[in-house]
Amino acid sequence: DQQVKQNSPSLSVQEGRISILNCDYTNSMFDYFLWYKKYPAEGPTFLISISSIKDKNEDGRFTVFLNKSAKHLSLHIVPSQPGDSAVYFCAAFAGGTSYGKLTFGQGTILTVHP
Amino acid sequence: GAGVSQSPSNKVTEKGKDVELRCDPISGHTALYWYRQRLGQGLEFLIYFQGNSAPDKSGLPSDRFSAERTGESVSTLTIQRTQQEDSAVYLCASSRDRLNTEAFFGQGTRLTVV
Repeated sequence: DQQVKQNSPSLSVQEGRISILNCDYTNSMFDYFLWYKKYPAEGPTFLISISSIKDKNEDGRFTVFLNKSAKHLSLHIVPSQPGDSAVYFCAAFAGGTSYGKLTFGQGTILTVHP
Repeated sequence: GAGVSQSPSNKVTEKGKDVELRCDPISGHTALYWYRQRLGQGLEFLIYFQGNSAPDKSGLPSDRFSAERTGESVSTLTIQRTQQEDSAVYLCASSRDRLNTEAFFGQGTRLTVV
C-alpha cells in the first residue's frame, strides 16, 4: 500500500524555467510533509518542509504548496539550475505513535538542462 | 564525525550468508531509522529507534532481518541467510529527537547478493 506517491518518475526542464514536482498521499493522518534531494552515491538531504496548518512554505528558490483537501503537495523550483538535477523524494509524517517514521514516495528524477 | 556514517559503503555477499551493516548516527541524536531503496523503488522504512523506547520494527520484511542499537549510539542491521531480493541500498538516518522531523541520512550501504 503506497501511502505516498510520486507519479512522475522523471522530469526534464530547461535552466531558468520552473520545475514542478508533485506528490500525492492517501493517509489523512499525515500532518507534516518534507522534500528531500538525493544525488547519486549520497544519502538524501533535507530540502524544505511544510506543516499541515499551512498551505505554502517558501525558502529561496524552493516553495512547497500543500492542498489538504486534494491530499496533494508540490515543490516548485524557480529558477531551475543545472545543480538542481537530482532525485527528489517527498515524505510524510504522522503525529502520535508514528512520530518519527517518515513515509517516502518513489522519487522523481529531475534533470535541468543548461 | 559531523554526519551519519555507515559502513561498509559496499558489500557483495553470496546468497545464504549473513551480513551486518553498521550505522553511526550524529552525536546526541536520539532517533535512528533504517530504510532501504531497491532499484527503481522509493525509500522503504525498515525500523525506527527512539531513545530507550521499544523500537518500531513494523517495516522489517521478514524474520531474517533484525537490528540493534546500543543506547543512543551505534546501530547494526543484520540480515541472515541473504537472498537476492535483499540487494538494495540500505540507508540509515538520525534526528535530534522524536519531535524533530528533519532526518539526516548517511551515504548508504550498497548490498549486492549474488
